Amino acid sequence: DTGVSQDPRHKITKRGQNVTFRCDPISEHNRLYWYRQTLGQGPEFLTYFQNEAQLEKSRLLSDRFSAERPKGSFSTLEIQRTEQGDSAMYLCASSQGREQETQYFGPGTRLLVL
Amino acid sequence: DAKTTQPPSMDCAEGRAANLPCNHSTISGNEYVYWYRQIHSQGPQYIIHGLKNNETNEMASLIITEDRKSSTLILPHATLRDTAVYYCIVSSYGQNFVFGPGTRLSVLP
Repeated sequence: DTGVSQDPRHKITKRGQNVTFRCDPISEHNRLYWYRQTLGQGPEFLTYFQNEAQLEKSRLLSDRFSAERPKGSFSTLEIQRTEQGDSAMYLCASSQGREQETQYFGPGTRLLVL
Repeated sequence: DAKTTQPPSMDCAEGRAANLPCNHSTISGNEYVYWYRQIHSQGPQYIIHGLKNNETNEMASLIITEDRKSSTLILPHATLRDTAVYYCIVSSYGQNFVFGPGTRLSVLP
């Protein structure tokens, strides 16, 4: 257990539905990252926050995806109008935001879109 | 694209040392080398990282060549629970991690 928690761990939804995932980082960590991982591939960066500010978004983050980190604590990732191609593991990681940028990952949320 | 190249798979006998290589020939002076592993269906687990010097912790040792263009992760006494995908990543402060496909290590009884 790294101290990063994600909820839910598994989500099955029908195409077209909206889903929201939550990540609780390690409490003193300023940075929070979201990644997506499809079968057989390494994780791919989606976006990250420095405290409550969203500083970078990947091209993978289409306009159906939105992430927030109110008050710089937990974060949510919402996918609107889900598509079958959104089926993946969604990983959250946090780091202290200092020079040695070790990221600690949560267990992930596995999404299946039917 | 990932800045590292790793063999897609390796086998290791249980109890023996597992040596996982990583090439990062374009590494910059301020980039660290990080190693993570991912056991099936879990999030990546941090193992070790280093800048120039060799590093050792309770999980593994990291050997970085003098020119920093390659490194080796050493698991001194591999167990069946070390079977996982191992990722080598180079990153500097403020950069996001770019994962490649990693090395699938199989520890055999």
